Parts: sequence; C-alpha cells; structure tokens
Amino acid sequence: DADVTQTPRNRITKTGKRIMLECSQTKGHDRMYWYRQDPGLGLRLIYYSFDVKDINKGEISDGYSVSRQAQAKFSLSLESAIPNQTALYFCATSDFPVDYGYTFGSGTRLTVV
Amino acid sequence: AQSVTQPDIHITVSEGASLELRCNYSYGATPYLFWYVQSPGQGLQLLLKYFSGDTLVQGIKGFEAEFKRSQSSFNLRKPSVHWSDAAEYFCAVGGSNDYKLSFGAGTTVTVRA
Repeated sequence: DADVTQTPRNRITKTGKRIMLECSQTKGHDRMYWYRQDPGLGLRLIYYSFDVKDINKGEISDGYSVSRQAQAKFSLSLESAIPNQTALYFCATSDFPVDYGYTFGSGTRLTVV
Repeated sequence: AQSVTQPDIHITVSEGASLELRCNYSYGATPYLFWYVQSPGQGLQLLLKYFSGDTLVQGIKGFEAEFKRSQSSFNLRKPSVHWSDAAEYFCAVGGSNDYKLSFGAGTTVTVRA
C-alpha cells in the first residue's frame, strides 16, 4: 500500500455540488497538507494541519474547508464547487522540521463542469 | 518571504544529451532545497535534497544538483537523459523552522528520440 493514499483519483462534478477529497497516510507523520496544482502556477498551499486540533489556512483557502479526523486522515471539501476549482489536488505529509521533505499522494484530478 | 523561480517553463532535449534545469530561490536564512519529479499521471517523487555540507548532492535516477549560495541557485543536472526522464520537475525551498515548503512553477521536460 502507498504511504499516502488519496481518493478518488479522478472526479467530475457539477458547479454548486459539494465534494470531499480524502487522504490517509501510514507514515505516522503529524503534519499533513493539501495543495492544488495548476499549469504554470506550481503547487499552492490550501490548508495544513500540525495535529488533529491544529488546522491552518494556506495561501488559497477561500472556497475550501478541511477536516482532520485522526492523525492519519485529512479531508478537503469544496462546499460549492466552481469551475475555477478544476485542478490537480495533492495531499502530503511531513515530519518536523521539513528537512526530509514531503511524501505526496498520487493526486486527485478534479473537474468542475 | 520565501519563493522559488524556475525560469524555464519547457525544455526539449534529445535522448542521451545532458540536461540542466535552473532553480533560483529567495530565503531569509539557511535554506533546505529539494527537487521533485512528477511523471505523467503520478504524484511527486523526491529526487534529492540539500541541507548543508557538500554543495553537490546526488539523487536518484542519476540526477545531481549543485547549491550555490552566492547565486541563490540550486540547479539540477543529468549527464545523459533517458526517454523515461520526460516529466515535470519542481524545485522547492524550506527551512529548519518552517511549516511548509514553497514550490516553483515547474519545468516540463520533453525527451526526443
């Protein structure tokens, strides 16, 4: 099994629908992150969490919410999806400090029509 | 604020030729630097990282990178490219007390036969 698992891998949804992207990890890391990737923009941080009770907004949190259900699980929700949220979404985990880098999931490709 | 610039959006290289990808960073303290590779349809995989010490670091898949503090650069190189090196490459920067990594916009590498 992968260290960081994201579900679903691909999703097409309609404008206005609520959608949840899920992430689970077996690394035992406390820190988890959600990024979105857009062509030419690289990866931008949406939310991050240091533990179950510590959740923080990233650079582009508007229109998104998250839930840290357990140390191993971190979900990203789009309450009312819009077309410009069409992107590739990555979950990542890390230890502190980040000197060992991140472990990434395989990504969720979301299309909002 | 920390930031990463990858000046080349797209590079095309012949199989067997050498490859160099540029990365310039801005960071207020001693940086931790990373290169990740994203193959089509895959997540991001760590190629190599620099914390301190020898400024030439070796990574997986035959890649190496050189840290040049005076130029704020961390360029990635490979002496002889294989068709399987076609991918998108991301440079990232963080630090010992950072909560996150900042990523560049990425460089797409195309390998021609």
